[in-house]
Amino acid sequence: AQKVTQAQTEISVVEKEDVTLDCVYETRDTTYYLFWYKQPPSGELVFLIRRNSFDEQNEISGRYSWNFQKSTSSFNFTITASQVVDSAVYFCALSVPSGSARQLTFGSGTQLTVLP
Amino acid sequence: GAVVSQHPSWVICKSGTSVKIECRSLDFQATTMFWYRQFPKQSLMLMATSNEGSKATYEQGVEKDKFLINHASLTLSTLTVTSAHPEDSSFYICSARGLAGVNYEQYFGPGTRLTVT
Repeated sequence: AQKVTQAQTEISVVEKEDVTLDCVYETRDTTYYLFWYKQPPSGELVFLIRRNSFDEQNEISGRYSWNFQKSTSSFNFTITASQVVDSAVYFCALSVPSGSARQLTFGSGTQLTVLP
Repeated sequence: GAVVSQHPSWVICKSGTSVKIECRSLDFQATTMFWYRQFPKQSLMLMATSNEGSKATYEQGVEKDKFLINHASLTLSTLTVTSAHPEDSSFYICSARGLAGVNYEQYFGPGTRLTVT
């Protein structure tokens, strides 16, 4: 069975601060995919990134960066120079191809509040 | 590309009535659709998985007779909440997935907020 843990329930930062959201996953599969989604107050999930288990390169996209460490089963997400518009709930998720439907297993989410 | 719509975006109904929520893939064929439920300040919980032309597979604890899912075409799945009660009030989100390539990703609809009074 798959499991995703986001230990940080809520984080509050002041604008322009950097913030890292933690994600720890569990799976016995050697092939898997990790995702991050953003859910603003409107409720619609916004896809941020997908990473497969064979690609441990860190990725940077603008102010966003992701650190994938298989040794610690972590896939952490950093927002640099945070902005008020970054305020949202962020979900980490895991999918394994061996599952019959490649279902997504979601973490419990981290509520990020960026204060002006 | 890969847009999923849901209708309605919000609905208020009286206890005991039934409500139908539609999920459409607008620009790709969705062989598999997923239905999630999300209570306030909680994560998404998978309710069921449906493949086009087949019966839905429900997650443990989800009543299949209460949450009727129909996936009759490659672009449309419906979730009907039958005899709704206040505890069914929630945010319902669908996602759709195609066969291969970029469409093998799961694309999410904007969600439907259901309030049962």
